[in-house]
Amino acid sequence: GAVVSQHPSRVICKSGTSVKIECRSLDFQATTMFWYRQFPKKSLMLMATSNEGSKATYEQGVEKDKFLINHASLTLSTLTVTSAHPEDSSFYICSARVGTGIANQPQHFGDGTRLSIL
Amino acid sequence: AQTVTQSQPEMSVQEAETVTLSCTYDTSESDYYLFWYKQPPSRQMILVIRQEAYKQQNATENRFSVNFQKAAKSFSLKISDSQLGDAAMYFCAYRMVGNKLVFGAGTILRVKS
Repeated sequence: GAVVSQHPSRVICKSGTSVKIECRSLDFQATTMFWYRQFPKKSLMLMATSNEGSKATYEQGVEKDKFLINHASLTLSTLTVTSAHPEDSSFYICSARVGTGIANQPQHFGDGTRLSIL
Repeated sequence: AQTVTQSQPEMSVQEAETVTLSCTYDTSESDYYLFWYKQPPSRQMILVIRQEAYKQQNATENRFSVNFQKAAKSFSLKISDSQLGDAAMYFCAYRMVGNKLVFGAGTILRVKS
């Protein structure tokens, strides 16, 4: 159980393109999902917290107009990198947590999306 | 602010032997959760083990166990009978209020045959 599916796994596109990444919880409902960015051999940096039915909460330094997050249902959150540029190339990972009020549930991660902007 | 420190960028272990990965953290909270995640070359994040701060007993999961020292704010991971498949990047993580995770910098574990 607790499977998180992330799609696509790899994107290569031209500079200026907008790219959408999907994160789905397949067998549970997730009121909260998280989006991380990871550079090669580095740690995961939280970009934003995605809340179902409300606006995402962005971490300091993350441009909300550049990284649009939508969490329209209890099983789907999307991250859109708008007008992507080479510096946006990175590995993006989403995670979701099972339920609310269940304190000891861990986050479950998608397999990540490698974004390469040419 | 909560911080997580992993002071070992890389570690090596011989197959079948035991290795310990270090992690320290800083927090003013009294109740929290700590996790170890494994990230193999496939980049998938896999939960290895978790520890509730209010529990004094150290968590164990088969060959994986932790040494949780709350007063010292230390949370080390011990891997016994190391296997080639254990080779990966290991991240220690602290879960904040609001369920946000703060990750350490990671430790690359190499397993020698």
